[in-house]
Amino acid sequence: AQSVTQPDIHITVSEGASLELRCNYSYGATPYLFWYVQSPGQGLQLLLKYFSGDTLVQGIKGFEAEFKRSQSSFNLRKPSVHWSDAAEYFCAVSYNAGNMLTFGGGTRLMVKP
Amino acid sequence: KAGVTQTPRYLIKTRGQQVTLSCSPISGHRSVSWYQQTPGQGLQFLFEYFSETQRNKGNFPGRFSGRQFSNSRSEMNVSTLELGDSALYLCASSSLLTSAGNEQFFGPGTRLTVL
Repeated sequence: AQSVTQPDIHITVSEGASLELRCNYSYGATPYLFWYVQSPGQGLQLLLKYFSGDTLVQGIKGFEAEFKRSQSSFNLRKPSVHWSDAAEYFCAVSYNAGNMLTFGGGTRLMVKP
Repeated sequence: KAGVTQTPRYLIKTRGQQVTLSCSPISGHRSVSWYQQTPGQGLQFLFEYFSETQRNKGNFPGRFSGRQFSNSRSEMNVSTLELGDSALYLCASSSLLTSAGNEQFFGPGTRLTVL
């Protein structure tokens, strides 16, 4: 069965610092990959997605992610974090002909002023 | 375009009762998926409906069921509620028909508390 691992449960960065959130998946085939963000009391908002092609994908709010097949990873990055980026971030994959997403456990990002 | 709407936003029930949650997808979207979010288990897929048919199902007991109407609105029902059913239930809609990896748009969720 497919699984998604986000090794960091909590991350704290200073405002203006760079950010990298890790995501690893386990499955034989290349999945469709997503990063979502969830603010307190809110639903999930899609930041970016990877289907095929260029392994570096750009998303909203200045985020980008790089797909590395050899490492089964899809890490999320941002060069300069803003206080408003404090939220929980979820990596997700899908494989089948449908819309079933398998999520990682999430990484809670805190931003220090 | 209006986003995905879920009603009610908050619900309190007692053990043994049943509950029905509603989801209205974005206009034109025919796929609706449901997810359960808890602190212990995280986000877990419940089921997906497309054109009134269940297309995918997660690993949940039969107490969890759903349906989709001809206007794509969906409901999920949980019977014989247990304390562990307390969770945020999220609905997501998608417009594309067949291929995996479709972008899903999530609603704000229904917070269910079982006492």
